[in-house]
Amino acid sequence: AQSVTQLGSHVSVSEGALVLLRCNYSSSVPPYLFWYVQYPNQGLQLLLKYTSAATLVKGINGFEAEFKKSETSFHLTKPSAHMSDAAEYFCAVSAILSGGYNKLIFGAGTRLAVHP
Amino acid sequence: DTAVSQTPKYLVTQMGNDKSIKCEQNLGHDTMYWYKQDSKKFLKIMFSYNNKELIINETVPNRFSPKSPDKAHLNLHINSLELGDSAVYFCASSQDRRASGSLAKNIQYFGAGTRLSVL
Repeated sequence: AQSVTQLGSHVSVSEGALVLLRCNYSSSVPPYLFWYVQYPNQGLQLLLKYTSAATLVKGINGFEAEFKKSETSFHLTKPSAHMSDAAEYFCAVSAILSGGYNKLIFGAGTRLAVHP
Repeated sequence: DTAVSQTPKYLVTQMGNDKSIKCEQNLGHDTMYWYKQDSKKFLKIMFSYNNKELIINETVPNRFSPKSPDKAHLNLHINSLELGDSAVYFCASSQDRRASGSLAKNIQYFGAGTRLSVL
């Protein structure tokens, strides 16, 4: 069964500092992995996705994530944090079901705070 | 145009009442989902429909009944509301039911959520 673990429910960085949000997955098959962002009182927006074509995936708003099979990780990074990056970030894995269907299994989320 | 829209955005009601949340997508997708986000922000899938057919039914009380009149709509009806039902409910849609298909088709697009408060 697939699962996702996000280390650190809260991360706080200074504006301009590196952002690192950790995600480890468990999957018996090559995983489809996603990062979603949820701004306050809004829905989830896709940041980036792992397609298996490249291990370093670039997303929107300057975020990127690196798939490391040996570490079963898919950490999200951004070189320089901006105040507008403050939000809840969710890592997710696509779980394959019988019949070829799939569902997203989410991590518990990491709240990113950015301070001046 | 909002791709996945939910109504209402906020819903405050008393215990024991019956309420519905509506979801519509204009993306031409054939699969729709309902997720529940609890007070700790944890997201869990509840149901999924593909072309009006129920394909995912997680362990959810049978007071929750999804209805899909067509593939662009997936409504959630909740009977006899309880305090523990208070949460944010998200609707989502994706293009292709098959996980083995193009990953691009497996991306789920979410609505803005419905915040349900049961008093």
